[in-house]
Order: sequence, then structure tokens, then C-alpha cells
Amino acid sequence: EIVLTQFPATLSLSPGESATLSCRASQSVGTYLAWYQQRPGQAPRLLISDASTRATGIPARFSGSGSGTDFTLTISSLEPEDFAVYYCQQRNWPPSWTFGQGTKVEIK
Amino acid sequence: QVQLQESGPGLVKPSQTLSLTCTVSGDAISSPGAYYWSWLRQSPGKGPEWIGYIYHSGSTYRNPSLESRVTISVDTSKNQFSLKLTSVTAADTAVYYCARVNGYFDVWGQGTLVTVSS
Repeated sequence: EIVLTQFPATLSLSPGESATLSCRASQSVGTYLAWYQQRPGQAPRLLISDASTRATGIPARFSGSGSGTDFTLTISSLEPEDFAVYYCQQRNWPPSWTFGQGTKVEIK
Repeated sequence: QVQLQESGPGLVKPSQTLSLTCTVSGDAISSPGAYYWSWLRQSPGKGPEWIGYIYHSGSTYRNPSLESRVTISVDTSKNQFSLKLTSVTAADTAVYYCARVNGYFDVWGQGTLVTVSS
């Protein structure tokens, strides 16, 4: 099973600041990695697919990069609605899809 | 737009079978395309865990760690797919989600909490 490790566990920032979240895979996943946002009491929402492609309707302040084992999600200027938990997820083949444990972006 | 809604008991006794159904609206499960239909779950404070998926043809793929206890089925006439998880324990207590797979999980249901307790 591919293990995804996210860091930091918590990021304390102010609105308007930029956020950099990291995800490291235990073995290469190529660019088969996604990022999700989860607000309290809601289902996760797909933000980024294939490491760097924004999903439909996702604002341009969200960007993803990386390949192989190291990936980054950047939020360029935090809006109040961006304070949430973010998960990365890999889709290897044959499927044994896994998620990271999450990074919480909280208001400082 | 496509929407998914989970339904089923919120309380299941240990050793019994958890059964959930996901109703899809706004699109036909059997429509041509590369969509798969999936179940996931999430325990408090943890990341989601993928349980398995099904294609409208009935072909399935399950998480190897749950494979022996999981059955996923589809009813195209009702535009629904279902999950059965046998021999449940307290460790199976979680919010269960159904989701559409379009490469990744691009549309999710709202989730339903299932508690395993006597």
C-alpha cells in the first residue's frame, strides 16, 4: 500500500497570506495525485487532479505541483472560506487508492 | 448536475452486516462513459478510506484490506448502487460516502454516519 504523508499537520495563517502544503508518497505515483478540501460537516471537494489540473470551478489561487513522490498544494492568498482541512490522494493501478492524513489550515 | 445521496441504518450491531444504498440523480449510472461509482468512509479525525468501486456493467474493485467483507452491487433500473460490509466491529464506525469516480472522486454524497454498537 502506498502511504501518503502530509506536512505540516497544522498551518496557522492569516487571511491574505499564502499557504504551502506538502504531500510525500512512499513510492512513486507519477502525477496521479489529487488534492481535496474538506470543511467541517461537509464531504471532501476535489480541488486538483493529476497533480496540477484545477477541477471545474476552483479559483486560480489554488495551484498544485510535483511528480513522483513529492507534491505541493499552494494557496496564493487565503480567503476566509479556505480555512479547512486538505487531503492528498493517489490513484495507482491496480487500485489501492489511499489518502493522506490531512493538513488543517487554521486562522492565526 | 449529478447528485448522490446515501441512505441506510445509522446504527448496526457488532458482528452484523452494514447495508447502504447510494441514489444517483441528474445522470444515469448506465450512461456511456468512463465513470465508476465508489464507496468511501471516514473515521473522526482521519483521512477518507477508499472501500471500492463498481462500473455499471457490474465489475467491481475493492480495497484489498476490506475485500473479504465487502460487496458492492448496482441496480441500473433504480439508478442506485449499494454497499454491504459484513462482520462489523466498532472499528467500522464512520461517516460513509458514495462518490463518482472520474479519474478521481469528483462528486460526493453528503455522507451518512454509521455507528456500530450494541
